[in-house]
Amino acid sequence: NAGVTQTPKFQVLKTGQSMTLQCAQDMNHEYMSWYRQDPGMGLRLIHYSVGAGITDQGEVPNGYNVSRSTTEDFPLRLLSAAPSQTSVYFCASSYATSTDTQYFGPGTRLTVL
Amino acid sequence: AQSVTQPDIHITVSEGASLELRCNYSYGATPYLFWYVQSPGQGLQLLLKYFSGDTLVQGIKGFEAEFKRSQSSFNLRKPSVHWSDAAEYFCAVDHDRGSTLGRLYFGRGTQLTVWP
Repeated sequence: NAGVTQTPKFQVLKTGQSMTLQCAQDMNHEYMSWYRQDPGMGLRLIHYSVGAGITDQGEVPNGYNVSRSTTEDFPLRLLSAAPSQTSVYFCASSYATSTDTQYFGPGTRLTVL
Repeated sequence: AQSVTQPDIHITVSEGASLELRCNYSYGATPYLFWYVQSPGQGLQLLLKYFSGDTLVQGIKGFEAEFKRSQSSFNLRKPSVHWSDAAEYFCAVDHDRGSTLGRLYFGRGTQLTVWP
């Protein structure tokens, strides 16, 4: 099993550009989530999904969109990147709920100029 | 609002010394509680979790944590720290106690440095 994979590992964008961060898991997990990690702020939940076709907002959803068309994939879209979105992004998955062990991907380091 | 607090941003200990990392939560009911560890350049890994029952929980890598309801705390401990324990440690809570639409809220983290 590859676990949770994220692409790309690094990305530099200009303000206003759009892009999609990819996340995939091969563990047949229902629960998937996206976090951003900023220095001194810990991890903050952006969006999460409890299964294909079901998503909900976390603490900091503004500026981000998600969809869950399959169990395996949970992409995160930045519609119009802003410097405030410079961060490290982590995708995580778990069996069914947030209290099941979360398996984290390696992260994507995004810089918005 | 942030509901989990880690008062110590950075802790330095000598190898072989004992360790205690503090975590406090603020909410009416007892949430589900977790400790995760992040090694440099890596994602997070679960160390241990508490849902109910025995207030002293054992985790991986020799870590344990004690839930104290009266202090709204869930402190992480290790009797003898190894150099490989140097990492950032995150306390997390789930106030929805495992419901389908539950969410994890993380503290801001404590960076642990281990001196040889």
